[in-house]
Amino acid sequence: QLQLQESGPGLVKPSETLSLTCTVAGGSISRSTYSWGWIRQSPGKGLEWIGSISNTGGPYYHSSLQSRITIAVGTSENQLSLTLISVTAADTAIYYCAREDGYWGQGILVTVSS
Amino acid sequence: DIQMTQSPSTLSASVGDRVTITCRSSQTISNWLAWYQQKPGKAPKMLIYKASDLKSGVPSRFSGSGSGTEFTLTISSLQPDDFATYYCQQYHENLYTFGQGTKLEMK
Repeated sequence: QLQLQESGPGLVKPSETLSLTCTVAGGSISRSTYSWGWIRQSPGKGLEWIGSISNTGGPYYHSSLQSRITIAVGTSENQLSLTLISVTAADTAIYYCAREDGYWGQGILVTVSS
Repeated sequence: DIQMTQSPSTLSASVGDRVTITCRSSQTISNWLAWYQQKPGKAPKMLIYKASDLKSGVPSRFSGSGSGTEFTLTISSLQPDDFATYYCQQYHENLYTFGQGTKLEMK
């Protein structure tokens, strides 16, 4: 059974860089034909797709985040990374990693605050 | 960017009701549409993919239809476990967008 787990700091200061990792158990990101991505959800709000990557193309990013975001497959074939620079309070959200066919991690809350 | 518009934003219904949620895309997406259910504090759960294919393990009271720019999610007979927020998501040409969500609440 495929399992995804997000990890990283729960608190980031404004203007700094948010870095998250998604670790996949029971499958391989780099050898997969599926697309893998990140989605976030601000407190009390809806879902926002951030970006995705696959071994057939990408990464692809949300147009509003394109200048600040990097998504990559990690050095381990089972890890996906998200880097978001110059964060503000508007980047406070639960961040999820997911595979396109519906497997999601449990999410990690990241708060941007000094 | 493709915009997804869901309606209604909130839906009040009772157990046993038949309910329908609509999702419209700003441009044609063929059948590249999924429906998700989300409960408080939980990750979204995929119910439907490719507009009308039921995800394994999802009860058959859920169904999806549509293509092009207009799509619907129907719950044929609402059960207590179905009260949640529902999102559509398009995945056309590698760029994904979610609808703003429909909160299904108990009348």
